[in-house]
Formats: sequence, C-alpha cells, structure tokens
Amino acid sequence: ETAVFQTPNYHVTQVGNEVSFNCKQTLGHDTMYWYKQDSKKLLKIMFSYNNKQLIVNETVPRRFSPQSSDKAHLNLRIKSVEPEDSAVYLCASSYRAANTEVFFGKGTRLTVV
Amino acid sequence: QQQVRQSSQSLTVWEGETAILNCSYENSAFDYFPWYQQFPGEGPALLIAIRSVSDKKEDGRFTIFFNKREKNLSLHIKDSQPGDSATYFCAANFNMGYKLTFGTGTSLLVDP
Repeated sequence: ETAVFQTPNYHVTQVGNEVSFNCKQTLGHDTMYWYKQDSKKLLKIMFSYNNKQLIVNETVPRRFSPQSSDKAHLNLRIKSVEPEDSAVYLCASSYRAANTEVFFGKGTRLTVV
Repeated sequence: QQQVRQSSQSLTVWEGETAILNCSYENSAFDYFPWYQQFPGEGPALLIAIRSVSDKKEDGRFTIFFNKREKNLSLHIKDSQPGDSATYFCAANFNMGYKLTFGTGTSLLVDP
C-alpha cells in the first residue's frame, strides 16, 4: 500500500516532557511537510523538506525540531511540551513540481496534560 | 492574518440540494487553489483543484467557480449526499510553492 504513515496515532504526555512523532511516505515523493491542526480545525504549515533539505520553517517555537534521514522519512521532535502544543500533527508529502497533490497521513493527536 | 478565508464555519443542506461553499483570498500571487475534504479521524484529501488561468473546473458532482478579479472562489456540490458530510478546506499556493495555505474550513452536514 502506498500512502503516508504516521505513528503513534495518539499520545498523552505531561507538560515539560519530550515527544517524538514518526512519518514515512511510500509514494516516492521528494517533498514532505508537517502541519498542525488545532482544536478549531485550523491547519497551519510548520515545516517543508525537499530531498532532506529544510525549505520552509514557519514561525514555530524552537522546541519543535524536524528530522529527516531520507526523502521518505520526516520525524518531529518536541522538547519540553506545553499545553498549547495539544493538537493533531499531520504529516504530508508531494512531488516538487507545480501544483501537485499533497497527500496527508491520518495524523498524531497530542494531548498535553 | 488569515490569507485564505471561508465565509461559513458550518453549513447544513438537505440531501439532493446543491451545497455552496465560499472562499476568498488576499494574495494576488496565489495561482493554484485546491479544495480538500476531511472526515473525522482522517487527514485531508484532495477533492478538486483549479488554477488561476481558469474560471471553472468540474469533476462529477463537484464544481469550482473562480473569480480572479474579486479574489474569490466557490465549491458547488450538486445532489449532496449524506456521505458528503465532512469538513471542506479551501487552500492556495504559489507556482512551485512549498507552502499550501489553508482556509478556516467549512463543516458540511447533509441531512437525509
């Protein structure tokens, strides 16, 4: 099956802990993204990577750090989580070409207590 | 600053009616406008898209009407079905852009 796969599906943690989310795409794409979807369903891009290189880094707190080992994998680490980090984190991928479809994973729901 | 706006947070239509979802944008440089559909527990999925050189794009029951001068567009869903109940996001991008900008979303409910 070709798609974007994210683990874990859910994660509950306490304020101040570190968390890591994994993402893998089997679509052969060269570009991957992390989006954050808040409780009001607002979707905001956090990072874009093209062939393991960081291309877009929106105004994201420094405790968020993406990690890409190859063009099929893009992980996200959050050091010292805060309550406002509670959200669904969506990984996505696409080809680096004009107006191509962006494919999303099912997301990781993070709850910070 | 919300660069892509959707005028309705929610919309309810009866089965068989045409649902109309509106979207507007601020940046004239945007030239690609996809609509994404999202069901609970799933990631968004591309439904239909239009480029700014066109004023209409049709795919089955789904049609986008685009007005470049007014910087707005709308998604029409003909013969709405209960299975169309989902959240719909208007989005925008630049040519070869790495940053798809999403609207605020419209939650559509189709009553049988």
